Amino acid sequence: DAGVTQSPTHLIKTRGQQVTLRCSPKSGHDTVSWYQQALGQGPQFIFQYYEEEERQRGNFPDRFSGHQFPNYSSELNVNALLLGDSALYLCASSLNGRMDEQFFGPGTRLTVL
Amino acid sequence: RKEVEQDPGPFNVPEGATVAFNCTYSNSASQSFFWYRQDCRKEPKLLMSVYSSGNEDGRFTAQLNRASQYISLLIRDSKLSDSATYLCVVLYSSASKIIFGSGTRLSIRP
Repeated sequence: DAGVTQSPTHLIKTRGQQVTLRCSPKSGHDTVSWYQQALGQGPQFIFQYYEEEERQRGNFPDRFSGHQFPNYSSELNVNALLLGDSALYLCASSLNGRMDEQFFGPGTRLTVL
Repeated sequence: RKEVEQDPGPFNVPEGATVAFNCTYSNSASQSFFWYRQDCRKEPKLLMSVYSSGNEDGRFTAQLNRASQYISLLIRDSKLSDSATYLCVVLYSSASKIIFGSGTRLSIRP
């Protein structure tokens, strides 16, 4: 039973660049949520994708965008990177647009220099 | 004031001890509550849901107090493997909004 996978594991970018992170949900799941976790903080909800549409969105600027593919995998794109975007980006999968039982992937650690 | 607040700890307790920590939330419209566990440099994993009547899973007991707007987690007979950060999660179903606390660090010593 394949769990949630994310790529890449680590990434280093410079300010102003753009980045794309990828996530494949747990086998059988159709919903993907993205979170940003700064050091020493809890995960902050960015947005959720279900049926290839953004369904819910947290308090993040438009520089953060995403996409969900027909196979349920998802991408998170961040434009015009800022130093403050350095964080662990977590993807979580669930069923039917729900948020009550989520399975997290190992995350992508993004460093912006 | 944060919507979900936790004591960051660390709580440093001996193996076999009982430890409890609380999480307070500010919005009474909150619907569902959860405890997640996060090991160092790992992803969060669901530990247990928190029901109004309270619930127990082995050594772990979770309780919800809606009147005072807090949830609690009690760990009995703590093991070294319980060392982790425990994240409180509040889900507002009507708004499909989910908020994680900053976590409470627990360290169990031999």
